[in-house]
Amino acid sequence: DTAVSQTPKYLVTQMGNDKSIKCEQNLGHDTMYWYKQDSKKFLKIMFSYNNKELIINETVPNRFSPKSPDKAHLNLHINSLELGDSAVYFCASSQFTGGYEQYFGPGTRLTVT
Amino acid sequence: AQSVTQLGSHVSVSEGALVLLRCNYSSSVPPYLFWYVQYPNQGLQLLLKYTSAATLVKGINGFEAEFKKSETSFHLTKPSAHMSDAAEYFCAVSVNTNAGKSTFGDGTTLTVKP
Repeated sequence: DTAVSQTPKYLVTQMGNDKSIKCEQNLGHDTMYWYKQDSKKFLKIMFSYNNKELIINETVPNRFSPKSPDKAHLNLHINSLELGDSAVYFCASSQFTGGYEQYFGPGTRLTVT
Repeated sequence: AQSVTQLGSHVSVSEGALVLLRCNYSSSVPPYLFWYVQYPNQGLQLLLKYTSAATLVKGINGFEAEFKKSETSFHLTKPSAHMSDAAEYFCAVSVNTNAGKSTFGDGTTLTVKP
C-alpha cells in the first residue's frame, strides 16, 4: 500500500517542452513538498504546501508551478524545459509543518535532451 | 536559519566494522534532527529522529545516533556494518518555525567492503 506515489517514474523530453509530474499521498498528512536532487545527490527543497496553501517557495524559476487541488495531491508543472532541469524530483509529505519526519515518494527521473 | 554539515562525502568500511557518519548542525532554536537513508533508485526513508525526548536515539536496521548539544552534533553509528547498509545517508534539521522547512546535508555515501 504505497504511502507517497509519483507518476511518471521516468520522463524523457526535449528542450522547450512542457511537462507535469503528479504526486499523491494516502497518509492523511497536511503538508507536502517538492524536492530536486541533482546528479551529485544534493537535495534542495523547491516548494511546500500546507492544506493546499503554499508556505515555502524557494528560489525556483517561474517556469516551475506547483498546484495542490486538495491536501492529498501536489502536482508540479514545468514550462519550457531546459537541460539544467534534468534531475530526480521527489515528492514528500509530513503530518504537519515543523519537526515532523517526511515521507518520500520514489522519485521521478527527468531527462531533458 | 538552520543548517547542517555532513563531514565526509564518502565513507568506506569493511563488513562487520563500526559505521560512523558525522553530522553537525546549526540552529538558533532547539532543533529536530533526522537521519534518512536512500538506497539506489529509491526515495529517502527515515532511519531515526531526535525530538528532544532522549539524547540517544535508536532507529531501524541497528542504527543509532546521539544528540550532543555542547558539540552541536548528531552522529550516526552502527556497531557492525552489513553489505545491505551501502547507501546514501542524509542528515536533516528542522525547527518549529520557518514553516517547518527541513534543511538537508549534502549526503554521505557509505560503501561496505566484503
